[in-house]
Amino acid sequence: EPEVTQTPSHQVTQMGQEVILRCVPISNHLYFYWYRQILGQKVEFLVSFYNNEISEKSEIFDDQFSVERPDGSNFTLKIRSTKLEDSAMYFCASSYRAEGYEQYFGPGTRLTVT
Amino acid sequence: SQQGEEDPQALSIQEGENATMNCSYKTSINNLQWYRQNSGRGLVHLILIRSNEREKHSGRLRVTLDTSKKSSSLLITASRAADTASYFCATDALRGSYIPTFGRGTSLIVHP
Repeated sequence: EPEVTQTPSHQVTQMGQEVILRCVPISNHLYFYWYRQILGQKVEFLVSFYNNEISEKSEIFDDQFSVERPDGSNFTLKIRSTKLEDSAMYFCASSYRAEGYEQYFGPGTRLTVT
Repeated sequence: SQQGEEDPQALSIQEGENATMNCSYKTSINNLQWYRQNSGRGLVHLILIRSNEREKHSGRLRVTLDTSKKSSSLLITASRAADTASYFCATDALRGSYIPTFGRGTSLIVHP
């Protein structure tokens, strides 16, 4: 069964450093998403991406964040200058359509900012 | 806020028993989805129920939706230890974003 993959599974970085989290969505999906989950808290939406541009973003997704689909398979989330509060699990998801279709989630990248 | 809120926050049962989790939300929706998350892992989609549907089944899972009460329930019948996980409902707003908004989840423990 096709699945969303994410790398790395765990990333440790120092405050102020840039990180890039990578995702390979399911190949025939058209919509891509990033979510985060701070330990013990809700899953929070960050951004959605369709047709090579951001279609929606939350207030969390400020200028420190950016997304890119550099080729036909990868979807990346970049955090320019990490803060301690960026420590969380980051989940990538993809779906074939936006409305009324299930999103398939990857296993997540645990980001630890020290 | 549109988010669903699950109830109870935690549920502990014996294998073989049924588990019922509830979700309430505040504004009208297009769809409501239930997801499962095993500890430290990603979310697994369980069921999507549309606003014009009242009940859906998938294996041992039964989801109901009552739009008049703005609530949904997830029933897991004949639970197994492997069902131990957190369960989340996610709603998207009618006439708004299709992005699902997650609640805090119900933590289910099934004792063997």
